[in-house]
Amino acid sequence: GDSVTQMEGPVTLSEEAFLTINCTYTATGYPSLFWYVQYPGEGLQLLLKATKADDKGSNKGFEATYRKETTSFHLEKGSVQVSDSAVYFCALSDLITASKLTFGTGTRLQVTL
Amino acid sequence: SAVISQKPSRDICQRGTSLTIQCQVDSQVTMMFWYRQQPGQSLTLIATANQGSEATYESGFVIDKFPISRPNLTFSTLTVSNMSPEDSSIYLCSVTRGGEQFFGPGTRLTVL
Repeated sequence: GDSVTQMEGPVTLSEEAFLTINCTYTATGYPSLFWYVQYPGEGLQLLLKATKADDKGSNKGFEATYRKETTSFHLEKGSVQVSDSAVYFCALSDLITASKLTFGTGTRLQVTL
Repeated sequence: SAVISQKPSRDICQRGTSLTIQCQVDSQVTMMFWYRQQPGQSLTLIATANQGSEATYESGFVIDKFPISRPNLTFSTLTVSNMSPEDSSIYLCSVTRGGEQFFGPGTRLTVL
């Protein structure tokens, strides 16, 4: 079945540091890929998405590129802020079940001054 | 976007009892989804609820334990039956709109 593997956290960075959170997936066919974010005390929000190979999703300074050849969708940000402290989830949805999402285990990011 | 509310936001329950969680969406949707997020873990889909038909359950989840109702296109309930401490989790409902999936704020359940 489909699966998503993310790097384990927590990840602790200083403000303005470069962020990479690795995500790889296993799926049949060509899934859509997502990054969701869960800020402390809040619900899950879509951060960015990509629906086909080589697509780059971007939002709030975060980027991720759909790499079919490496089955990866790594999340990056050039300069993190304290307000980026949250849990980040990589997820995929396959074309057959459409909206059903398979999530990674989540990576907690803590950004300090 | 979609605005989703859930009730209750949190509850503490005794072993062996049942709790029904409500999910309300601001406009009509075809499918609603129920997820579970166990402490320190990721989200796992419990079931998909379509209006007018029985819910479709994922492997490892059964209707007797997690009965779902979907009486109309804006509302659904999930019941956690005969609870045990292992059922302590955050339960979230979600909907799809415009190719994006939106999540409710979650119901934090603690079973003693």
